[in-house]
This record gives sequence, C-alpha cells and structure tokens, in this order.
Amino acid sequence: DAKTTQPPSMDCAEGRAANLPCNHSTISGNEYVYWYRQIHSQGPQYIIHGLKNNETNEMASLIITEDRKSSTLILPHATLRDTAVYYCIVKKKGGATNKLIFGTGTLLAVQP
Amino acid sequence: GAVVSQHPSRVICKSGTSVKIECRSLDFQATTMFWYRQFPKKSLMLMATSNEGSKATYEQGVEKDKFLINHASLTLSTLTVTSAHPEDSSFYICSASAHRDTPQSGYTFGSGTRLTVV
Repeated sequence: DAKTTQPPSMDCAEGRAANLPCNHSTISGNEYVYWYRQIHSQGPQYIIHGLKNNETNEMASLIITEDRKSSTLILPHATLRDTAVYYCIVKKKGGATNKLIFGTGTLLAVQP
Repeated sequence: GAVVSQHPSRVICKSGTSVKIECRSLDFQATTMFWYRQFPKKSLMLMATSNEGSKATYEQGVEKDKFLINHASLTLSTLTVTSAHPEDSSFYICSASAHRDTPQSGYTFGSGTRLTVV
C-alpha cells in the first residue's frame, strides 16, 4: 500500500496561498489521493480528492504531478481558521472497506 | 451534506468501569463505520472497521474484548471501552462511509469523544 510523506509543519501568512506538498511515490494506478484536515480537538474534515487530474472545489485545489508520485494541496487565501493538521492519504486497497490510514500530516500555522 | 453525530463529546469515568460511545449517521445509511483513537499530538490510529450486521474487523494490536464494537443498524455504531484504565484515556473518533468498495466513496467523521479515566 502506498505511503505518503509530508513535512511536519509549515507556516503561512494570512491572506496568502498555502501550498502543502505530499509525496506518494509508490502509489498504484487506481489509488486516489485524499486530503483531510483536523482542527484541534475536532474530527477530520474532508477537503478534496483526485486520481490524476487537477481538482478544485470551494475549499482548495489539488495539483497532482503527471507521474502521480506527488501532489500539492493549495489553499488560495489562507485564514487563521485554516490552522490545522493536514493529512494526505492514499486510499488503501484491499478487502471491502477501503480504510483511511492517517500518516503524521502537516501542521499548518497561519500567521496574522 | 453527510453528517455524523458522535456522543458523548467528553466523558470522565472511574477506572474499572465501562464507557459506551455512540456514532450515528444522521442523513445517510452507513454501510461501514470506522473507529479511531488519537493520543495527544499524535495522528489518528485506526482501531477497527465494522460493517452493518457483521462482526467488526480489528487492527493488529487492538484488543477486541476490551473495545467492543456493535454496528446493529445502518445508522448506528457503538464502541464500548470495557474495564477502562487510565491508559485508555484518549480521543476516540468515528467515521462513516455510505458506499462499499468504491475509491471515490466519501468518509464523514464524528466530532470525537474525549475519554478520561481516573
């Protein structure tokens, strides 16, 4: 199963774009890349997911490299409320359950 | 959107007692529910997966007799921490999925339960 590597922490100025990288060099062809975030003492919140094309929704954009070995989550205009731990997850194959396995994530601190 | 309600949000119990945590999908039928545990400043650790009407599948190292999971209906799963001890103090989070076997299926998380065993 593909694993992901993320920097442990990042800072971003309020109002600026936050670009969070993720490496998933062992991803297989039919595995998706998911992004979740967890604000302190809350349950994780879904942000976005993609297979190979770039994706955009009201929260963020997801850029996946052509070889699919890495991706970047972009928060276009970060606010203080975006301070959270961001998890990049490759959907684990196997069985009937498609479990979400969390890595260590990136703590994004948005500074005023 | 899909909503998962988890109760209680906080619970304090005495060592040796049992605690039940409920996870409900409010506006969809959850064929699969997941239970996670999270220690301070650590990531979420998957404890078990339950499919409605069948026995839960536990991750390696998780004691199934200590963490009883019931998924009797498509909208409710419960986690019971039996004979709780201080080392069981943690943040427990449930997640629900409405679809089987589809990579695109979404996962909705509850708001978590902070368990403190004294």
